[in-house]
Amino acid sequence: GEDVEQSLFLSVREGDSSVINCTYTDSSSTYLYWYKQEPGAGLQLLTYIFSNMDMKQDQRLTVLLNKKDKHLSLRIADTQTGDSAIYFCAVSPGGSYIPTFGRGTSLIVHP
Amino acid sequence: DVKVTQSSRYLVKRTGEKVFLECVQDMDHENMFWYRQDPGLGLRLIYFSYDVKMKEKGDIPEGYSVSREKKERFSLILESASTNQTSMYLCASSSRTGLETQYFGPGTRLLVL
Repeated sequence: GEDVEQSLFLSVREGDSSVINCTYTDSSSTYLYWYKQEPGAGLQLLTYIFSNMDMKQDQRLTVLLNKKDKHLSLRIADTQTGDSAIYFCAVSPGGSYIPTFGRGTSLIVHP
Repeated sequence: DVKVTQSSRYLVKRTGEKVFLECVQDMDHENMFWYRQDPGLGLRLIYFSYDVKMKEKGDIPEGYSVSREKKERFSLILESASTNQTSMYLCASSSRTGLETQYFGPGTRLLVL
C-alpha cells in the first residue's frame, strides 16, 4: 500500500521560512493535503494540491509538488510562534476516500 | 461552518470497562472515520463507514467495534478496555464528492487504568 514519510521534527527561528517535506510511494495519488494539528486539538486542513499542479500558493503557504520524485513540500514564509504545531502530509488516489497520512512533523518556532 | 463534535475531550476508564466514544457531524457527509493517534506513530485507521449501517475495518480494528445507525453519528466501542488502548481518538467525516477532504473532531483523550 501507500507509504508516506515525513521527518519528525523541524526547528526554526521566528521570522524565517519553514520547509516541511514529504515523500510518498503511490504515483496514482491524486489529492495531496497538508493538515495542521495544534496542541490538544484535531487536525485542520491547511491546504491541498491536485496531482496535475506543480505549485500552489495561499498567502504565507506555498505547496510544491514534484511528481517525478513523488515529493511534496510545504513552505511557510515568515514563520510565527503561532505556527508551532504538528503538520501532517496526506495523499489519496482519489475515489478511495481514505487518505494515507504521514507520521507528522512537529514544527517548533523559537524567538 | 462545518462541524464534527466528539462526546468527550477526556475520559478515564478502568481495565475491562465497556467504553463508548460518540462522534456527530452536521455536514451530511456519507463517510465517517475513527483513528487513533499515538506519539511517533501518526494516525492509524480503526474503522470507517461509507453509509448508514455500513462499516469497514481499517488497519487496527482488533479490540474495537463501531455503530452507525444514523448518518450523522458514528460510535466507537471498546468492548473491554485495556491499558494499550490508552490513546487520543480522532473522528473524521468526508463527502463522497468533490475534494474528499476529511474534517476532524477535536479528539478524545482516553486513559485506561
